[in-house]
Amino acid sequence: TQLLEQSPQFLSIQEGENLTVYCNSSSVFSSLQWYRQEPGEGPVLLVTVVTGGEVKKLKRLTFQFGDARKDSSLHITAAQPGDTGLYLCAGVKSSGYSTLTFGKGTMLLVSP
Amino acid sequence: DTAVSQTPKYLVTQMGNDKSIKCEQNLGHDTMYWYKQDSKKFLKIMFSYNNKELIINETVPNRFSPKSPDKAHLNLHINSLELGDSAVYFCASSLTRSGEQFFGPGTRLTVL
Repeated sequence: TQLLEQSPQFLSIQEGENLTVYCNSSSVFSSLQWYRQEPGEGPVLLVTVVTGGEVKKLKRLTFQFGDARKDSSLHITAAQPGDTGLYLCAGVKSSGYSTLTFGKGTMLLVSP
Repeated sequence: DTAVSQTPKYLVTQMGNDKSIKCEQNLGHDTMYWYKQDSKKFLKIMFSYNNKELIINETVPNRFSPKSPDKAHLNLHINSLELGDSAVYFCASSLTRSGEQFFGPGTRLTVL
């Protein structure tokens, strides 16, 4: 059973479109991180959300942490080809051993 | 300056061989990790070391043996390589066990 479920698994859109990626779990997390991995490279942290209901913006990217801290979403406005990559969410559980668990990722392809 | 470095970048070898991948971080972090990313892009943790001590050892064949000579290095030795070991292996480090992880560029291992 995957602790963090990401959807969709793959998304192919045209430049200028908006999109939302989801990260869901039945577990409560003390924090949740979003990473982007570009082809041939390692993942790079985009943002960390800590408080239930928190919204963080990074230029055209908007991250939201669910009120119950069990889920998160990433919304991209007016996607650009440079947004292409694998988006990974990773959570730290509230209970038990505190280490990151990664979701399986959403592969985003933005075509010009 | 490279924060987390891995060598080699590419490794092509025959089944049954023994190989090593080296990892070094110059961030002064206490915790280091090895991940395996398969062809479906799932990033699965293999090992985690904190201050040279093994703290996470997921269900990984004992052909895989991590070694941490000091806090800045975590090497991965693989004995009797199998076809299923082909994947991209990422080293990462973090200041704390639940904090942001910094990834190396990955080592693409191909077993023929």
